[in-house]
Amino acid sequence: DTAVSQTPKYLVTQMGNDKSIKCEQNLGHDTMYWYKQDSKKFLKIMFSYNNKELIINETVPNRFSPKSPDKAHLNLHINSLELGDSAVYFCASSLGTWTSGSSDTQYFGPGTRLTVL
Amino acid sequence: DAKTTQPTSMDCAEGRAANLPCNHSTISGNEYVYWYRQIHSQGPQYIIHGLKNNETNEMASLIITEDRKSSTLILPHATLRDTAVYYCIVALRDYKLSFGAGTTVTVRA
Repeated sequence: DTAVSQTPKYLVTQMGNDKSIKCEQNLGHDTMYWYKQDSKKFLKIMFSYNNKELIINETVPNRFSPKSPDKAHLNLHINSLELGDSAVYFCASSLGTWTSGSSDTQYFGPGTRLTVL
Repeated sequence: DAKTTQPTSMDCAEGRAANLPCNHSTISGNEYVYWYRQIHSQGPQYIIHGLKNNETNEMASLIITEDRKSSTLILPHATLRDTAVYYCIVALRDYKLSFGAGTTVTVRA
């Protein structure tokens, strides 16, 4: 029973290509995220969607475009891939119940290792 | 969000308690303290979080000082499978977590 799944697990491609990474969660969560972990292992948030609406966009190049067809899916499309895009991309989800005095937690997928040659 | 400071690495003997410190001296009154860990190259895993009170769950305990400027994550009986990078994060809400370098914990037999 995979909670947050990503496909593919590995992606090797040439510079200039366009590629997509898919993410699905079966937890019934309202919020989904994309993170990038670079070679130095720093994990940085890229996007967050709540109920299919974009709520966080952390100064990511517009070559990166998230798409959320429904609450359970958040895909990441990358145009004109560059060498610097090589990283591990993690999808995550959370309930998104940010009521006063409460907090919830994020559940991460296994990651997609993208290598741009 | 407040910045956190953690030791770069620490070793722990298997079966002993592991105490992981975190400083967050600029934390504001409504920011939470979260702990996540990342085992090898897997996705980060939630451990525990707290606001003011100490918290305990099946994985760990979180001790937050009264002034909230620091906290300690306690793994009561470390096992080899607890070897990971542990991240202490301070955030207003969990939707914008900022992961730092974390503490690399190595549990030794």
